[in-house]
Amino acid sequence: SQTIHQWPATLVQPVGSPLSLECTVEGTSNPNLYWYRQAAGRGLQLLFYSVGIGQISSEVPQNLSASRPQDQQFILSSKKLLLSDSGFYLCAWNLDRGHGYTFGSGTRLTVV
Amino acid sequence: SQQGEEDPQALSIQEGENATMNCSYKTSINNLQWYRQNSGRGLVHLILIRSNEREKHSGRLRVTLDTSKKSSSLLITASRAADTASYFCATDSWNTDKLIFGTGTRLQVFP
Repeated sequence: SQTIHQWPATLVQPVGSPLSLECTVEGTSNPNLYWYRQAAGRGLQLLFYSVGIGQISSEVPQNLSASRPQDQQFILSSKKLLLSDSGFYLCAWNLDRGHGYTFGSGTRLTVV
Repeated sequence: SQQGEEDPQALSIQEGENATMNCSYKTSINNLQWYRQNSGRGLVHLILIRSNEREKHSGRLRVTLDTSKKSSSLLITASRAADTASYFCATDSWNTDKLIFGTGTRLQVFP
């Protein structure tokens, strides 16, 4: 069966520090991978998606970047965090359109 | 950008009652999906309805889709306290590989 792992669960980082959030999927090949951010009490904002290794589409110009070094690994990064980067970050995958997404358990990021 | 808008933003009902949530969207879609999110957790996929379908059932869930009005509704029958969560609709457009989420409805079911 397929599983998705996302870590860490919570993170408190000072402004200006770097960020690296990792997401891995097991039990499937060539998944589509997604990073979403959710502000408190709000909907989900798509940040990045990837349909293959090294293929990254950015939805929102911002302080973040994403990479997909391996088929089942998706990394969200920042060189210098801003206060506005605080939020709940969710990784998700699916195989193709016509199927629902499977989400990870999320990372609560607080920038102080 | 937000594609879907849920209505109402919040809904409070008693156990055993039915809960109806509505979703409106702006552009043509390939399919529409509903998700559930418990507080502080990831989202769980509930049901997917394709653009050529009008109604779909899954257990106590009933979803309708009206593409002429660009709207969908999610009905939860005989609600339970465990149904308390936020519910989101999301649309998948024909020309993209991404899912765009609405703003969500917070459902509170009182025992």
